[in-house]
Amino acid sequence: AQSVTQLGSHVSVSEGALVLLRCNYSSSVPPYLFWYVQYPNQGLQLLLKYTTGATLVKGINGFEAEFKKSETSFHLTKPSAHMSDAAEYFCALKGTGNQFYFGTGTSLTVIP
Amino acid sequence: DAGVIQSPRHEVTEMGQEVTLRCKPISGHNSLFWYRQTMMRGLELLIYFNNNVPIDDSGMPEDRFSAKMPNASFSTLKIQPSEPRDSAVYFCASRPPPGSNYGYTFGSGTRLTVV
Repeated sequence: AQSVTQLGSHVSVSEGALVLLRCNYSSSVPPYLFWYVQYPNQGLQLLLKYTTGATLVKGINGFEAEFKKSETSFHLTKPSAHMSDAAEYFCALKGTGNQFYFGTGTSLTVIP
Repeated sequence: DAGVIQSPRHEVTEMGQEVTLRCKPISGHNSLFWYRQTMMRGLELLIYFNNNVPIDDSGMPEDRFSAKMPNASFSTLKIQPSEPRDSAVYFCASRPPPGSNYGYTFGSGTRLTVV
């Protein structure tokens, strides 16, 4: 079975603090993993993706994620939160046959 | 809970033919979204409905695309006539009203190939 689980539907951090959004996956084949961000009243935008190669992936806006096979995780981090990072974030898995599986999303609030 | 149900899972059609994609959202969810996914462009929001009313269709690429939501439990996305560049995975997603577990649930997608 292939699935994605995002832990925590709501995360709040102070401006300047570390952002950590958690994603765990289940896949019977080597996964392609994605993080998307959705700002209010907009569609989802690709933040970063892991396919093969380097396990630490850097994306836009200072975000990065590390693929850890042993932990079946692909957590999203950013060293210092900005107010503009407030949005909803989705982890996704591309499994077999181009099938995509999405998490239910994590809403990030940044406190000034 | 069966989740968001999309049909068909795969569709192969010839250029110029009409294609209809179907979606059944989760009961109680009042927002429904249609997305298109390609490796080049990622996920693109095509249109979303709130309480069966289209709110924003600015993402619909052109007049060949149309979407309807005749009731709270069913939506369609139609392409007429279809073109090879429409080949993509089309996702339907729904979410409940604010204040509850306010997260998207995505369907498994329809993989459309236009030849």
